[in-house]
Parts: sequence; structure tokens; C-alpha cells
Amino acid sequence: GAVVSQHPSWVICKSGTSVKIECRSLDFQATTMFWYRQFPKQSLMLMATSNEGSKATYEQGVEKDKFLINHASLTLSTLTVTSAHPEDSSFYICSAGTADYNSPLHFGNGTRLTVT
Amino acid sequence: AQSVAQPEDQVNVAEGNPLTVKCTYSVSGNPYLFWYVQYPNRGLQFLLKYITGDNLVKGSYGFEAEFNKSQTSFHLKKPSALVSDSALYFCAHLTGFQKLVFGTGTRLLVSP
Repeated sequence: GAVVSQHPSWVICKSGTSVKIECRSLDFQATTMFWYRQFPKQSLMLMATSNEGSKATYEQGVEKDKFLINHASLTLSTLTVTSAHPEDSSFYICSAGTADYNSPLHFGNGTRLTVT
Repeated sequence: AQSVAQPEDQVNVAEGNPLTVKCTYSVSGNPYLFWYVQYPNRGLQFLLKYITGDNLVKGSYGFEAEFNKSQTSFHLKKPSALVSDSALYFCAHLTGFQKLVFGTGTRLLVSP
């Protein structure tokens, strides 16, 4: 089945630094990938839609300069948290789907970011 | 606003008993509904979906869900719960091409 790999699975960084999270579709091409953020014991909040070869579409209230998204190929999207602050600490999850509208999305295993 | 609601934060059930995790939807037109499960510190795993067709949808790991248009519900069910079913369950609906919006999640705890 379709596999989405997310890396790293966890990362600790200092305030003010930037962190890059990678999301790869291993056995299929994904023109669209999605980035979610999940707070403890809460639901997933869609942050942005990553489109291959074009700019990402951000949800209302998500700072595009804070959360940089790059979708350089059909199998890779990256999320960079710039100038991280402790309030950016969260669980970030990516998902991707094939071109089949009716196929379910496949999710990465998430990245736990802790900013100290 | 179009959404899905999960009214229970947590559901407790004894192993071997049937389980139900509730989801109601408020979606105009024909809803595309999904159930996902999340284990601790992991991403989401797809369980099942309703697009069109039979109201009873069978999915992975013995789970099934019934689409009920009159009650605007899409409850997740399993005839006999396992301890290993303990996890966080999310109902979701499709708002655009591959764009999912999730409910608040229900934690299922199956006791031995």
C-alpha cells in the first residue's frame, strides 16, 4: 500500500533556530500534500496545502513566513519552522494522496517538535 | 459551517463487548466521510470511508460504520472490542480535493 515517510520523528531545537521536516511519498507520486498540526489531546488542524511546483495554500491564521512549505518534487514536501519559539512545540503530521479523488489520504507518522 | 462532530471525548468498553464511537455531520450535499485511528505518537491510519452506495461500510481491523442520512450520523462500530483497539479515533469529512477536516477525536479505552 501507499506509504508516506516523515522525518525526523522527533526533534528538539533552541528558540530562534529553524527546523525542517520532510514528508515523502515512497511508492506513489503526490501532487498535493497536506500539513497538519496537533496539540496535545486535540484534533488535527490543517495548516496548509502543499502543491508541487507552486506556492502552498495556507489556512486562515497560519503564518506563511513562519511555516515555510516547499514541494519541489512529486514525492517530497518540506515544512520549515523558522525562528522557532516554545509555542511552536507541537506534533506535526503530513499526508499525501494519489490522483484518485476517492482514494484515502495516507499519513506520515508525525514529527514531535520541542522548542526549548 | 460544514463539519463533523464527535460528542464523546472518551469511550470505555470491556474487551469482547461491542463498541460504538459516534460521529455526526453537518455537511451540505453528499458527504464524503472517513474514519481514521491514531496510536500514540503516530500518524493516522485509514479505517474506512463512505462515498456513495451501501450505508454499511466495512473497513480495516473488523471495524464498520453506518451512514445514516436521516440522523446525519456515521458511527463507527465493532462487534467485539480488543484491548489493542485502544487508540484515538477521528471522524473526518472531505471539503475539497483530498482536503480533510477532522472532528475533535474520541479516545477509546478497551479494558481487559
